[in-house]
Amino acid sequence: QQQVKQSPQSLIVQKGGISIINCAYENTAFDYFPWYQQFPGKGPALLIAIRPDVSEKKEGRFTISFNKSAKQFSLHIMDSQPGDSATYFCAASRRGSTLGRLYFGRGTQLTVWP
Amino acid sequence: DGGITQSPKYLFRKEGQNVTLSCEQNLNHDAMYWYRQDPGQGLRLIYYSQIVNDFQKGDIAEGYSVSREKKESFPLTVTSAQKNPTAFYLCASSRNPASHQPQHFGDGTRLSIL
Repeated sequence: QQQVKQSPQSLIVQKGGISIINCAYENTAFDYFPWYQQFPGKGPALLIAIRPDVSEKKEGRFTISFNKSAKQFSLHIMDSQPGDSATYFCAASRRGSTLGRLYFGRGTQLTVWP
Repeated sequence: DGGITQSPKYLFRKEGQNVTLSCEQNLNHDAMYWYRQDPGQGLRLIYYSQIVNDFQKGDIAEGYSVSREKKESFPLTVTSAQKNPTAFYLCASSRNPASHQPQHFGDGTRLSIL
């Protein structure tokens, strides 16, 4: 059973546009929601993360929006650039998990056309 | 620079052969993880370890084995029992997963069948 559902599977955006990737979860015990960015042939790297006590977190052009009641969170990439072309994974983990077990979405392959 | 080193970058397995993927970290992290990545499947957890000489099965442990004899090292063996081993394998580590410290990933090993 997929603990975190991510959409879309692929996304094509023009340079300067806004990229939006959505994730949904069911387990209300989740209390940490990171996003990872992965370039081809590389391992994922933490991009930005949010906890459910805030509804939005912004770091530069990247923003996470979090809707606790809907159990959804999304990544917005403003002014998308060709260098943002990568695969993005959302994830979640729950309190009480001593190993910080992350449950990943299936990923979104973003292509930004110049 | 501190980081996670995975080797080799590419690995080929013959039928009936066991192969071992190396993962070394110099970040002084306690927790280490192995993931398998297939196109469109996200990252699936194979094994994880919180301390030396202790490890737990993840979601897809069948056909794999690990050891954790040193804090810095967490090798993964893909046994002949794993009938579909072709995938991209990622190793990760975390300082204090209980407090949601981020997972740091290596650059992966791509395993193929000859």
